[in-house]
Amino acid sequence: DGGITQSPKYLFRKEGQNVTLSCEQNLNHDAMYWYRQDPGQGLRLIYYSQIVNDFQKGDIAEGYSVSREKKESFPLTVTSAQKNPTAFYLCASNERWDTGAFFGQGTRLTVV
Amino acid sequence: AQSVTQLGSHVSVSEGALVLLRCNYSSSVPPYLFWYVQYPNQGLQLLLKYTTGATLVKGINGFEAEFKKSETSFHLTKPSAHMSDAAEYFCAVKHTGTASKLTFGTGTRLQVTL
Repeated sequence: DGGITQSPKYLFRKEGQNVTLSCEQNLNHDAMYWYRQDPGQGLRLIYYSQIVNDFQKGDIAEGYSVSREKKESFPLTVTSAQKNPTAFYLCASNERWDTGAFFGQGTRLTVV
Repeated sequence: AQSVTQLGSHVSVSEGALVLLRCNYSSSVPPYLFWYVQYPNQGLQLLLKYTTGATLVKGINGFEAEFKKSETSFHLTKPSAHMSDAAEYFCAVKHTGTASKLTFGTGTRLQVTL
């Protein structure tokens, strides 16, 4: 079945460490997105990519980095510069907006 | 810039009662509008969408929404709530122009009681 796979589902990080969240899709979508979700704040856009080897900052890109070397993959790195990284991270993709965006199951990152 | 406002962070209804979740948007041009549902510790699932055409749109699980341009609203309704409808619901608007991305409201948590 086609879909978006995020891994791992739960991730624990020590302060000062970088960590990479995986997002893979087999929907053949050009566009991919990373959102951060915090209680009471909805979803906020971190980075997005509309084509391979190109990506743009979203509303809260500071402390994060991404790459888009393959169409199906859009990994997110949470760097030590991100001061409050504990959150639920969601990856999404889409081809056309009249079909909406498809989301993965999320990764819950906790800093310990 | 487009934005979305969801009135009421928590809504509680009895099983069998009408569900009404409110969403207002700001946009200078007709937007694309979406409602998503999220169950605990899961991703978002598309309930329904408005792009063009008929202003009353029907989605999955018996939900529907009406695009009202004059009121800049896109409220979500369901005639009869079921316990399985308990979840968080997000309204979203697609940005127009070259920056193709979604802006989300802050969400409404729906509680369904017996």
